[in-house]
Amino acid sequence: GQQVQQSPSSLVLQEGENAELQCNFSSTATQLQWFYQSPGGSLVSLLSNPSGTKHTGRLTSTTVTKERRSSLHISSSQTTDSGTYLCAIALMNQGGSAKLIFGEGTKLTVSS
Amino acid sequence: EAAVTQSPRNKVAVTGGKVTLSCNQTNNHNNMYWYRQDTGHGLRLIHYSYGAGSTEKGDIPDGYKASRPSQENFSLILELATPSQTSVYFCASGGGCGEQYFGPGTRLTVL
Repeated sequence: GQQVQQSPSSLVLQEGENAELQCNFSSTATQLQWFYQSPGGSLVSLLSNPSGTKHTGRLTSTTVTKERRSSLHISSSQTTDSGTYLCAIALMNQGGSAKLIFGEGTKLTVSS
Repeated sequence: EAAVTQSPRNKVAVTGGKVTLSCNQTNNHNNMYWYRQDTGHGLRLIHYSYGAGSTEKGDIPDGYKASRPSQENFSLILELATPSQTSVYFCASGGGCGEQYFGPGTRLTVL
């Protein structure tokens, strides 16, 4: 089954509202990474957070490893936050490389 | 500034032709990866490398070869391109903690 599940699949907000994105995963992960992808754009790494809470700017990620879940909180959303947010866990391969398993993403739309 | 760059950014190829996608990273990461992204399939791993001279098969390697001649460079080669290989291709680099950093992508159309 799906190893990484994200919810909600889509979210519509008014500018200034907060967003809470969820990620649940079924495998033990050595790393968990949140990405942002604009339409037609590349994947921008937002936060790497295998456990605990991390902040950067308006973003806060909390990962509870033993419960296999992570959240991404976006405060005071802006129209430029619109896009797809992807959660990925890393499973280690040989030689120290890692295979990323992605969720299907949350599509966020922020209107003014 | 450390970065992952890809070339070309857009490519149109003919069926049966050879296509080479190039990736360069200045992150000094040992690991490099090639993915393709398609609607309905998300991101899928094609090949990866854990150092210069190494290439390993990912989840969908058929029809693709890879080459890692140096720490900085990782190429994806389509010897005989097919329309089913029309996609957006992303290269990424990563260190030993599992984090990966992606390039801007190459949009490939095979006619």
